[in-house]
Amino acid sequence: SQQGEEDPQALSIQEGENATMNCSYKTSINNLQWYRQNSGRGLVHLILIRSNEREKHSGRLRVTLDTSKKSSSLLITASRAADTASYFCATDAISSGTYKYIFGTGTRLKVLA
Amino acid sequence: GAVVSQHPSWVICKSGTSVKIECRSLDFQATTMFWYRQFPKQSLMLMATSNEGSKATYEQGVEKDKFLINHASLTLSTLTVTSAHPEDSSFYICSARETGTSGPPDTQYFGPGTRLTVL
Repeated sequence: SQQGEEDPQALSIQEGENATMNCSYKTSINNLQWYRQNSGRGLVHLILIRSNEREKHSGRLRVTLDTSKKSSSLLITASRAADTASYFCATDAISSGTYKYIFGTGTRLKVLA
Repeated sequence: GAVVSQHPSWVICKSGTSVKIECRSLDFQATTMFWYRQFPKQSLMLMATSNEGSKATYEQGVEKDKFLINHASLTLSTLTVTSAHPEDSSFYICSARETGTSGPPDTQYFGPGTRLTVL
């Protein structure tokens, strides 16, 4: 089963507005990552946040992590049409001694010019 | 930076045939690789963990005999979809973890994906 649930499933905003996506997960993690995927393309790694971190910034991206609530959020400020994509969180899980990443359900973001 | 390639990038085949997809780590060695499947407008679902020199570990619900995985070298894992049917049409993505990294991986390196269409 999927580790993470994301909301909203879809988000449509105007260019220049901020976009916030949330991810909730079920088990303890070591780190959480956010990825972007343009339609029909591969994944682009955006940012990694470790379990002992609460907030991280990268350009127009701001990620928060609340391990007590098992949740994370991705904020994209001053959105652009080029930000239109699907965004996924991924959390690590260990099984049979191997770490692997489980992806959330994703948020489809559409930024209108 | 670490690069993972997949070949082919897209493939169309007839129902009942088998299709092989390759995943290569180009500038690093990968003891462990992962195979994901993604249906349109859905998330990535982990299918199996591929371990060099040993059997793959499949996720619950994934048919081992249908999705054959071979990780014969430290830079190559292959996924063969046997007797493909239209419902196997999907986007298949691999990722690789660099050998020698212990504990939780900081990241996995993802391939660009292979789009399989079964007619």
